[in-house]
Amino acid sequence: AQSVTQLDSQVPVFEEAPVELRCNYSSSVSVYLFWYVQYPNQGLQLLLKYLSGSTLVKGINGFEAEFNKSQTSFHLRKPSVHISDTAEYFCAVNLYSSASKIIFGSGTRLSIRP
Amino acid sequence: DADVTQTPRNRITKTGKRIMLECSQTKGHDRMYWYRQDPGLGLRLIYYSFDVKDINKGEISDGYSVSRQAQAKFSLSLESAIPNQTALYFCATSDSDRELFFGEGSRLTVL
Repeated sequence: AQSVTQLDSQVPVFEEAPVELRCNYSSSVSVYLFWYVQYPNQGLQLLLKYLSGSTLVKGINGFEAEFNKSQTSFHLRKPSVHISDTAEYFCAVNLYSSASKIIFGSGTRLSIRP
Repeated sequence: DADVTQTPRNRITKTGKRIMLECSQTKGHDRMYWYRQDPGLGLRLIYYSFDVKDINKGEISDGYSVSRQAQAKFSLSLESAIPNQTALYFCATSDSDRELFFGEGSRLTVL
């Protein structure tokens, strides 16, 4: 069965500090991987995605993620966060074969302290 | 104007009432989805549709029904609302790369 685990439900960091949000998945077949961001009182929007090719993926707002097939991970990183990065972040997995099987993690709430 | 529009944005109702949440999109996508968001549980798929004649159940379809009135419109109904259906509901569309485009959500409270 396919599943997505975000181990950290909340991550507090100071402004301008680096951050890593962890995501692990389990799947017996190849997958597409995504990170979505949800700002307060808004819908989700795509931050970045891995479909194939380079395992290091760069997204919007200075975020990047690395696909690690051996560890089945897709951790999200940013070298220096801003107050405006305060949001909830969702990792999502999708099987190659079916767009319907888009599974979301439980989310990580990132709070930035000045 | 938003590409994916949900109405109403907020609704408070009573147990046993019938509720319809509507979604319309201007992206021209064939695939549309309804998700439910609960704190600590992420998003869970309720129903999805790949075209007007194709409707599929997601992981939590019990207590819900949907209607795909046109390529651009996908409605979610709760025939008899119950308190544990209190949640934030999202409509989404997708293109061939599987990226989802979300509406801003409909917050439903069932008393």
